[in-house]
Amino acid sequence: NAGVTQTPKFQVLKTGQSMTLQCAQDMNHNSMYWYRQDPGMGLRLIYYSASEGTTDKGEVPNGYNVSRLNKREFSLRLESAAPSQTSVYFCASSQGGGGADTQYFGPGTRLTVL
Amino acid sequence: QQQVKQSPQSLIVQKGGISIINCAYENTAFDYFPWYQQFPGKGPALLIAIRPDVSEKKEGRFTISFNKSAKQFSLHIMDSQPGDSATYFCAASNGGSQGNLIFGKGTKLSVKP
Repeated sequence: NAGVTQTPKFQVLKTGQSMTLQCAQDMNHNSMYWYRQDPGMGLRLIYYSASEGTTDKGEVPNGYNVSRLNKREFSLRLESAAPSQTSVYFCASSQGGGGADTQYFGPGTRLTVL
Repeated sequence: QQQVKQSPQSLIVQKGGISIINCAYENTAFDYFPWYQQFPGKGPALLIAIRPDVSEKKEGRFTISFNKSAKQFSLHIMDSQPGDSATYFCAASNGGSQGNLIFGKGTKLSVKP
């Protein structure tokens, strides 16, 4: 049982490049989330998917797109990376979409945009 | 109204001491208050959580105290150990089907041997 896995672990991009962060969970969870973590800013929700086939914006969605490929996988795409998107990105999943459901986090992707 | 304010930003405690981290919220619709623990290089993990129908919840050395009238809650770590050194995040949600977690900005705890 791997839980939540994320690839890649590290990535360096140049301004304007695009990339997709991959996330997969093997817990048969319905809901999945993408957060970014910046020093002194805590965890901020980018997008979430309450169930397969649905996605919704979180607190900081600008500059990102997501795809809920199937129940297991939820990807985050940066179409044209900017230095302000330098951050650590975490994917999480939970059984339901309710706020009281425990969220299980992946190990994170550290992204640097030059 | 959606904010969760957490303090202090950083905390240094001697081994065996008590670590206390405080959080405050404004949205009275919040009814679920978890604490997440994050070790360096890892993702956050749920540590302990409370609902406002109780004023305190204890799990081992970790206790959440909740003050509904003041809209504040805190994490107490008794007999703090070097292995407790981590970043702690409080969070809040309204627990409903659309209730996403709102996280505080985190507290970096260092427990000195």
